[in-house]
Amino acid sequence: DAGVIQSPRHEVTEMGQEVTLRCKPISGHNSLFWYRQTMMRGLELLIYFNNNVPIDDSGMPEDRFSAKMPNASFSTLKIQPSEPRDSAVYFCSSDPFTDTQYFGPGTRLTVL
Amino acid sequence: AQSVAQPEDQVKVAEGNPLTVKCTYSVSGNPYLFWYVQYPNRGLQFLLKYITGDNLVKGSYGFEAEFNKSQTSFHLKKPSALVSDSALYFCAVRPADRGSTLGRLYFGRGTQLTVWP
Repeated sequence: DAGVIQSPRHEVTEMGQEVTLRCKPISGHNSLFWYRQTMMRGLELLIYFNNNVPIDDSGMPEDRFSAKMPNASFSTLKIQPSEPRDSAVYFCSSDPFTDTQYFGPGTRLTVL
Repeated sequence: AQSVAQPEDQVKVAEGNPLTVKCTYSVSGNPYLFWYVQYPNRGLQFLLKYITGDNLVKGSYGFEAEFNKSQTSFHLKKPSALVSDSALYFCAVRPADRGSTLGRLYFGRGTQLTVWP
């Protein structure tokens, strides 16, 4: 199995631009999680899905952030418009309902 | 509310010495407890977990952790540290009853472990 796949691995954009991060979970995993990691705030849970349904989006910083999971094999996290303070590493993880989350390699986002 | 505390931002040990990375938790009901490791420029990797049973849990790469219910702690240990163990370590907890949180993990802020030769 290829594991959790995230794309792109690196993204550099200018303030005000739209950014879309993508995640392909491991096949058969029921739950999907989006995290953000920064030096200042550590690892933050943004949103998670169970069977493609959003369960808790209380960690989404503001309305500029949105996430979708149109099917069991794909999820997106969108930031529109992006701001420099959104610069971070964004991780996606999936869980086959066995209490073990499998993390992707992350997307390093830099907003200039 | 569920939470995890890792009281040390950094732990430094010499290679060959034992290491301990501390974790305390707060959770409603019985806890499921986890340790994850993050190497530079990588995602988190699962190390070990406590669900029930023996309080001493053995995991990958020679790591083990001891669950102490009275002290609400789950410290990570290794008898003999390696330079390659240097990484960021995260403790996590969730209630045993999945309930409405459906498996969400609550992570600590992480402890940077440095093992010098």
